[in-house]
Amino acid sequence: AQSVTQLDSQVPVFEEAPVELRCNYSSSVSVYLFWYVQYPNQGLQLLLKYLSGSTLVESINGFEAEFNKSQTSFHLRKPSVHISDTAEYFCAVSDAGSARQLTFGSGTQLTVLP
Amino acid sequence: DSGVTQTPKHLITATGQRVTLRCSPRSGDLSVYWYQQSLDQGLQFLIQYYNGEERAKGNILERFSAQQFPDLHSELNLSSLELGDSALYFCASSADYASFNEQFFGPGTRLTVL
Repeated sequence: AQSVTQLDSQVPVFEEAPVELRCNYSSSVSVYLFWYVQYPNQGLQLLLKYLSGSTLVESINGFEAEFNKSQTSFHLRKPSVHISDTAEYFCAVSDAGSARQLTFGSGTQLTVLP
Repeated sequence: DSGVTQTPKHLITATGQRVTLRCSPRSGDLSVYWYQQSLDQGLQFLIQYYNGEERAKGNILERFSAQQFPDLHSELNLSSLELGDSALYFCASSADYASFNEQFFGPGTRLTVL
């Protein structure tokens, strides 16, 4: 079974500053990794995912995440955040072999301050 | 708008009662997932259906059941409700059953048990 740990429940950051949201996973098998974002009063939306290949994956709105197998991490970064990035961010993992359901972390609330 | 619809948006009921939550997936999606989101448990996977058949089961209580109908809409039935069942219930859909496919989340049904 897989598990996901998001080390920070709340991350406040000023506008235009860089941010890193941390995600570590635990699994004995190969995994798929995902970041989903939940804006206030909405459902979750996929931000980016790692399935295979390049360990650095990017989203269309400037976020990127790097799969680090040795450290079992998939941290999310953005070099310069905007007010509109304020949301809750969920890291998720899935067993690549069975490709069954996702296991989500507890979420990180990113609050961008003016 | 993800294309996934959920009804009702809000539901207030009493302990011991039974409720039904409804989900219509995106057009063309065959797989439906149900999740429970609460402050203490985070986002928990409950159950997945694919083309009418149960595909995967997560932390779903025996008091809860679900089904997917021939038109692919799904219903989640919650019975003998307890205070602790108060939560936001999300439905998501994807093209097929494999976890690497993007899941599209509905806006959720907020259940309050008094």
